Amino acid sequence: KAGVTQTPRYLIKTRGQQVTLSCSPISGHRSVSWYQQTPGQGLQFLFEYFSETQRNKGNFPGRFSGRQFSNSRSEMNVSTLELGDSALYLCASSLTGNNEQYFGPGTRLTVT
Amino acid sequence: KQEVTQIPAALSVPEGENLVLNCSFTDSAIYNLQWFRQDPGKGLTSLLLIQSSQREQTSGRLNASLDKSSGRSTLYIAASQPGDSATYLCAVRRGGADGLTFGKGTHLIIQP
Repeated sequence: KAGVTQTPRYLIKTRGQQVTLSCSPISGHRSVSWYQQTPGQGLQFLFEYFSETQRNKGNFPGRFSGRQFSNSRSEMNVSTLELGDSALYLCASSLTGNNEQYFGPGTRLTVT
Repeated sequence: KQEVTQIPAALSVPEGENLVLNCSFTDSAIYNLQWFRQDPGKGLTSLLLIQSSQREQTSGRLNASLDKSSGRSTLYIAASQPGDSATYLCAVRRGGADGLTFGKGTHLIIQP
């Protein structure tokens, strides 16, 4: 069974731009969660989607948004990028959300 | 607010030793706890998931225990190998739809 895939793997953007990251969960998994990882803050929860509905959201500004499609694939969008948004963005999938989480390889975003 | 602490932050041991990594959390009302490993620049690999009603889980040379009332979990690695070198992360989920709260990790080096 294929694992969680994320595209693109690396991205360089300029401050003020916006970016969209994509995540394809393991086949049959209906929950997708997004996390931000930085050296200073570690791993922080952004939001979780299940059956196209956002069920929970972490403590991030409204510039961070996401959505989930009917095939469970998810996208995350960050608008008006700031230097502090430079991070590794990880997505995780699970069957229903409260089960074992399987992570993708991440998207490394650099904001200059 | 749930806080997760991992001790030690870094550990270097010779190959073949048995070792214990510690994880503590402030709010004992958790749904489950999951241990991950992360190799440099990569995503997270799930090692073990312990439900709140369980006391331990085992997978190969790994054994994880959970004492919910005292807010602690340990990851025991038997007969360590150089390939075990990685950062080990502990994460707890408070409720079914909540995101994971992560510790900062233990950076483990196994010397050949």
